[in-house]
Amino acid sequence: DAKTTQPPSMDCAEGRAANLPCNHSTISGNEYVYWYRQIHSQGPQYIIHGLKNNETNEMASLIITEDRKSSTLILPHATLRDTAVYYCIVRVVNTGKLIFGQGTTLQVKP
Amino acid sequence: SQTIHQWPATLVQPVGSPLSLECTVEGTSNPNLYWYRQAAGRGLQLLFYSVGIGQISSEVPQNLSASRPQDRQFILSSKKLLLSDSGFYLCAWRSNRGLNTEAFFGQGTRLTVV
Repeated sequence: DAKTTQPPSMDCAEGRAANLPCNHSTISGNEYVYWYRQIHSQGPQYIIHGLKNNETNEMASLIITEDRKSSTLILPHATLRDTAVYYCIVRVVNTGKLIFGQGTTLQVKP
Repeated sequence: SQTIHQWPATLVQPVGSPLSLECTVEGTSNPNLYWYRQAAGRGLQLLFYSVGIGQISSEVPQNLSASRPQDRQFILSSKKLLLSDSGFYLCAWRSNRGLNTEAFFGQGTRLTVV
């Protein structure tokens, strides 16, 4: 299973863009990159996923490098409610397993 | 719309007692189902996943077992709980239609073994 590496923690000022990096240098050609977040004591919430093109939805944007070895999740205007642990995951295609790493704890500060 | 139900929300059990956590999914058929555990301050560890009735794959050796008696029912069990079984248990489902569907998680069961 391809592994991901994320910084353990990051801070962001409220109203500013939060850019969360993720390295997945061993990703295979047919493996997707998924992002989830977990607010304390709740189940993880799906944010966005992509294969090789950049993606955007109402929550965030996902930028994947051309070689697919890293990606960045962008929260364009972070709010205090975006404080959470953010997980970058590479999904195993044949089983659909989601293998979580340690994630990045994002602290949005006023 | 699809929903996932997990219960109970919290549970306190003595060491050596049995465990049964239930997860059900509504609004879909033949989903992929998953059990995760999250120890305090740690990330999510995949325990079991199932791609169909009676089909269970175990990811890590442990004191727990899983069963899928019906298409949309996933049960996590133990015959004798250990202190180390304490944690936050999460059930998730994913549609098996297509390669890039996202997974949806239940709200979890916080188990404390005393």
